[in-house]
Amino acid sequence: GDSVTQMEGPVTLSEEAFLTINCTYTATGYPSLFWYVQYPGEGLQLLLKATKADDKGSNKGFEATYRKETTSFHLEKGSVQVSDSAVYFCALSDRDTGTASKLTFGTGTRLQVTL
Amino acid sequence: DAGVTQSPTHLIKTRGQHVTLRCSPISGHKSVSWYQQVLGQGPQFIFQYYEKEERGRGNFPDRFSARQFPNYSSELNVNALLLGDSALYLCASSPWGGANYGYTFGSGTRLTVV
Repeated sequence: GDSVTQMEGPVTLSEEAFLTINCTYTATGYPSLFWYVQYPGEGLQLLLKATKADDKGSNKGFEATYRKETTSFHLEKGSVQVSDSAVYFCALSDRDTGTASKLTFGTGTRLQVTL
Repeated sequence: DAGVTQSPTHLIKTRGQHVTLRCSPISGHKSVSWYQQVLGQGPQFIFQYYEKEERGRGNFPDRFSARQFPNYSSELNVNALLLGDSALYLCASSPWGGANYGYTFGSGTRLTVV
């Protein structure tokens, strides 16, 4: 079945450091890939997405490139802020008929940014 | 516009009881999905409804059921609660159902079974 593997957390960085959170996936077909972020006590927010190979998703300084050859979708940000502290989830959707799909999530990576 | 609203926000139930969780999607969104998030894990897919029809079901026992109403709101029902059902239950809405359109998640209902 489909699966998503994320690097274990927590990841602790100083403000303005470079961030990489690794994500690899296993899926049949051609999945779409997503990064969601969850702030404490809140639901999930879509951060960025990529729907086909070599697409780059980007938002709020975060970016990730869909690499089909390595089945990866690593999240990067050049300079993190304290406000980026949250849990980040990598996810895929592989059964998108336009009216039905499901997301398969990784276990999440907690990011803590300190001053 | 209001986002996805879920009620109640917190709930404590006893083993063996029944629970109903409610979700109102964003206005104009016709698809609602339910996910279970156990503490420290990623969300797991339970159900998806589109235009009041079930479009997908995850690997959950028959104790879990759901429905979508004509106004596109949805209920998730869980019978014969077990301690392992303790989790954050998330509802997500989208315009058409496809994930590529982007799901908007609610803040969830925190269910504790004692």
